[in-house]
Amino acid sequence: EPEVTQTPSHQVTQMGQEVILRCVPISNHLYFYWYRQILGQKVEFLVSFYNNEISEKSEIFDDQFSVERPDGSNFTLKIRSTKLEDSAMYFCASSERGQYTFFGQGTRLTVV
Amino acid sequence: AQSVSQHNHHVILSEAASLELGCNYSYGGTVNLFWYVQYPGQHLQLLLKYFSGDPLVKGIKGFEAEFIKSKFSFNLRKPSVQWSDTAEYFCAVNSYSGGYQKVTFGTGTKLQVIP
Repeated sequence: EPEVTQTPSHQVTQMGQEVILRCVPISNHLYFYWYRQILGQKVEFLVSFYNNEISEKSEIFDDQFSVERPDGSNFTLKIRSTKLEDSAMYFCASSERGQYTFFGQGTRLTVV
Repeated sequence: AQSVSQHNHHVILSEAASLELGCNYSYGGTVNLFWYVQYPGQHLQLLLKYFSGDPLVKGIKGFEAEFIKSKFSFNLRKPSVQWSDTAEYFCAVNSYSGGYQKVTFGTGTKLQVIP
């Protein structure tokens, strides 16, 4: 079965540092997403991306966050200056038009 | 705005017991409903989905769910759980906007199956 793959699986960073989370969506998918799950809370939508543009973003996705598709296969989430409250599991996801969303295994981000 | 409620936060069952996890949703449009499972240390995995048609949907590993439109519910069931079903289960509703999707998750139910 095709998979969304994310790297790294766990990243520890110091507060104030920039971090980039990487994802390889499923190859024929056109829609890309990031979701976040703070420990003990539910999975929350961050942003959707299509045709090299953000389609929708949540209130969480402020100016500290950005997404990029730097080439034909990768999809990244950058947090410019991390805060303690950014510690969470970040899930990348992708989908075809009209089909359900495939999620990656997540990257656990720990900000210290 | 869509929302999903899961009533049970933590469920403990013995092996072979029957399982039912509650899920209620609110959404103004046509719904697509999902149950995802997250085994310890692993990614979110689709367990089953409802798009249309037969309201009783069967998923992987012997799970099923019933869509009851009048009750806005999509409860997950399994007649006999196994230790390997220990995981967190998330109910979710999907909305579409111009082709992309937005998945709204419930808060999750942690299932612990005791051998």
